[in-house]
Amino acid sequence: EAQVTQNPRYLITVTGKKLTVTCSQNMNHEYMSWYRQDPGLGLRQIYYSMNVEVTDKGDVPEGYKVSRKEKRNFPLILESPSPNQTSLYFCASSLSRLLTGELFFGEGSRLTVL
Amino acid sequence: KQEVTQIPAALSVPEGENLVLNCSFTDSAIYNLQWFRQDPGKGLTSLLLIQSSQREQTSGRLNASLDKSSGRSTLYIAASQPGDSATYLCAVKGATGRRALTFGSGTRLQVQP
Repeated sequence: EAQVTQNPRYLITVTGKKLTVTCSQNMNHEYMSWYRQDPGLGLRQIYYSMNVEVTDKGDVPEGYKVSRKEKRNFPLILESPSPNQTSLYFCASSLSRLLTGELFFGEGSRLTVL
Repeated sequence: KQEVTQIPAALSVPEGENLVLNCSFTDSAIYNLQWFRQDPGKGLTSLLLIQSSQREQTSGRLNASLDKSSGRSTLYIAASQPGDSATYLCAVKGATGRRALTFGSGTRLQVQP
């Protein structure tokens, strides 16, 4: 089944404790991206990648890192999480690196930082 | 900067009604527009993708139209069912630059049995 898989789905952590949210897609998509969704602010892009070893900042990249060492994986790293990073996070992918087609989303990862 | 607005923010209808959800965008230079459905606490499911050269797309009881020049799209849902209850979001991809979709804030739909 074609899908975007994120882990963990739910996570509670404390300020400053590094964490990684993994994302994997099995559709051979070139483009991958991370969004966060917050009440009243909607969906905002954090980072995106157009191909292996090619990443770029989105609208709200502060406090986050990403890497794209393999085509299928695009982990989101929070080196020192803070409470304002409490949010619902989505990974998404699309076939074309130019994002000219459909964007497919994962199920989301709900992160709480205490 | 592109802005996407969805009206109404919430809608409650009885089962069986035909309904229209609206999406407007400020910059008509778009590559495509996509409609999504989001169930509470879940991911976004793609419903329809309309390229800028197209006027409409249909999938089952859903029909989406696009009027690029006026910056508007509508999602028409025929014969609504309780299972259609969800938040519907539209998103646009600009014709140049930014490798991201700009999302509206969504319309929360409740279909009463």
